Amino acid sequence: GENVEQHPSTLSVQEGDSAVIKCTYSDSASNYFPWYKQELGKRPQLIIDIRSNVGEKKDQRIAVTLNKTAKHFSLHITETQPEDSAVYFCAAPLTGTASKLTFGTGTRLQVTL
Amino acid sequence: EAGVAQSPRYKIIEKRQSVAFWCNPISGHATLYWYQQILGQGPKLLIQFQNNGVVDDSQLPKDRFSAERLKGVDSTLKIQPAKLEDSAVYLCASSLGPGAYEQYFGPGTRLTVT
Repeated sequence: GENVEQHPSTLSVQEGDSAVIKCTYSDSASNYFPWYKQELGKRPQLIIDIRSNVGEKKDQRIAVTLNKTAKHFSLHITETQPEDSAVYFCAAPLTGTASKLTFGTGTRLQVTL
Repeated sequence: EAGVAQSPRYKIIEKRQSVAFWCNPISGHATLYWYQQILGQGPKLLIQFQNNGVVDDSQLPKDRFSAERLKGVDSTLKIQPAKLEDSAVYLCASSLGPGAYEQYFGPGTRLTVT
């Protein structure tokens, strides 16, 4: 089955700085990579995703990059704001089937003033 | 557009008791998932339905957990009997169907087993 490793487990940045979270996956057949944001006590919220036929996708201050050769993908948040503070999870398909996801262990991002 | 609905939001039971959770997916979404999220961890898939059929239940502890989606819309997840290690948030998610990979989560049910 798929194994997804996520780093770092915690990340503290100052407001306005950039934050980068990285995930690696094991199944080379994986073709869909979403990122979720989960605020304390709330549901995971899909914030951006990428499919394996592109290397980068951007949506305002967030972007995701994918390196299929190295089997890793990263979330980039620029100009961080206090409301970006949350736990972020990456995910990758279980056994190459995009509809079944394995989640990473999460990164707790703290944006300080 | 209404999101995924779940109830109850919170449940406290004693070990060996039974409990049931309910989920109503986004209207028109054919695929429904149940996840277990233990504190400090990412969600772990328990079962996936496509309409009213089970696609994958390989990670469902079938000796105590069961789930159904009889009419292809709402779903219930049951635990009987509960163990202390079942304390977690149970999340329901839905997606449009085959080829539509985006999953949208409900607010979850926080279960505490004492």
